[in-house]
Amino acid sequence: DVKVTQSSRYLVKRTGEKVFLECVQDMDHENMFWYRQDPGLGLRLIYFSYDVKMKEKGDIPEGYSVSREKKERFSLILESASTNQTSMYLCASRDGQGLTEAFFGQGTRLTVV
Amino acid sequence: AQSVTQPDIHITVSEGASLELRCNYSYGATPYLFWYVQSPGQGLQLLLKYFSGDTLVQGIKGFEAEFKRSQSSFNLRKPSVHWSDAAEYFCAVGARDTGRRALTFGSGTRLQVQP
Repeated sequence: DVKVTQSSRYLVKRTGEKVFLECVQDMDHENMFWYRQDPGLGLRLIYFSYDVKMKEKGDIPEGYSVSREKKERFSLILESASTNQTSMYLCASRDGQGLTEAFFGQGTRLTVV
Repeated sequence: AQSVTQPDIHITVSEGASLELRCNYSYGATPYLFWYVQSPGQGLQLLLKYFSGDTLVQGIKGFEAEFKRSQSSFNLRKPSVHWSDAAEYFCAVGARDTGRRALTFGSGTRLQVQP
């Protein structure tokens, strides 16, 4: 089974802190994604990566950055956390050129106080 | 750009009743289409997918969906709902030819099941 693992289920951080959300996949997928999920808005794409050290902005990249130093690992970074970044964050991976579904981690619920 | 609309934010059905969740997409060519389910506090699990071929697609947990090109729809159905089906359901579209590798999701439909 494909497994996408996010390092934390719940996080509470203070405003202004630098926050790292980690994601690891075990299926050698080329593509990895970070989504943000908010009630009534569905999933919105923050960033994605199609190869090691390669990244592209998604639909809502402001306030976030990412890092992909190894193929299996994709990190989301909140440079200076703000209360409006309180949300559920979902990591996903997908193989090749898009002829497959995306596989999701269990999500990280981040609260910024 | 592709987009997905799920017009029903919240649906309540009785256990044993039939279910249909609506999904409309906007995309210039034949899309890849998906339905995912999310139980409370969990990630998303794939229910079914459509890539090509037969427009009626069978998925897990007794769900099916029908691709209707003329209506730009991909509605999810289940003939008899179980209490364990209470969850949030997301429709998603994937592009075949734009190079966008990420799926685009609808806003979701929350299903409540009454005993």
